[in-house]
Amino acid sequence: NAGVTQTPKFQVLKTGQSMTLQCAQDMNHEYMSWYRQDPGMGLRLIHYSVGAGITDQGEVPNGYNVSRSTTEDFPLRLLSAAPSQTSVYFCASTMGYEQYFGPGTRLTVT
Amino acid sequence: EDQVTQSPEALRLQEGESSSLNCSYTVSGLRGLFWYRQDPGKGPEFLFTLYSAGEEKEKERLKATLTKKESFLHITAPKPEDSATYLCAVQAVLIQGAQKLVFGQGTRLTINP
Repeated sequence: NAGVTQTPKFQVLKTGQSMTLQCAQDMNHEYMSWYRQDPGMGLRLIHYSVGAGITDQGEVPNGYNVSRSTTEDFPLRLLSAAPSQTSVYFCASTMGYEQYFGPGTRLTVT
Repeated sequence: EDQVTQSPEALRLQEGESSSLNCSYTVSGLRGLFWYRQDPGKGPEFLFTLYSAGEEKEKERLKATLTKKESFLHITAPKPEDSATYLCAVQAVLIQGAQKLVFGQGTRLTINP
């Protein structure tokens, strides 16, 4: 049981490039979410999904897309990276009121 | 607007010196208040959920309490391994069954041996 896994661990992008951050969980949780963590800002919700085929926007969705084709996977796509998207990204899956976070992806956009 | 404020931002204690971290919140319809521990370079790790004023939960040297406007995380006789950032989050009204948490900025706790 690996819990929540995220890849890559580190990534550097140039402005305008696109990429996908991968997230997978093996706990069969319906609810998954993506957060970004910035110094002094706390964790902010980007997008979430209540099950396969269902996604919705969180607090800071602009510049990001998500899809949920399976229960296990919830990738986050950056369409055209901007320096403001430099952050640490966490994926989480939820069972009841308990959230399990992945180890994070540290993204730098130059 | 739902809001969570944690204080202090950073706290240094000597090993064995007990103290408390504060989490003040403003939320319409609290469904739960959560405490997490986050070590450097890692994702947050769930500690406690509190649902109603007066509730308390304990785990080893940590005890979380809840009032109508704030929560405290009491640390009794801490050890260096308790050093971490402690995050507080609240969950407001559910939308389509989704849990949407609002996080505070965290308190960075350092325990010196």
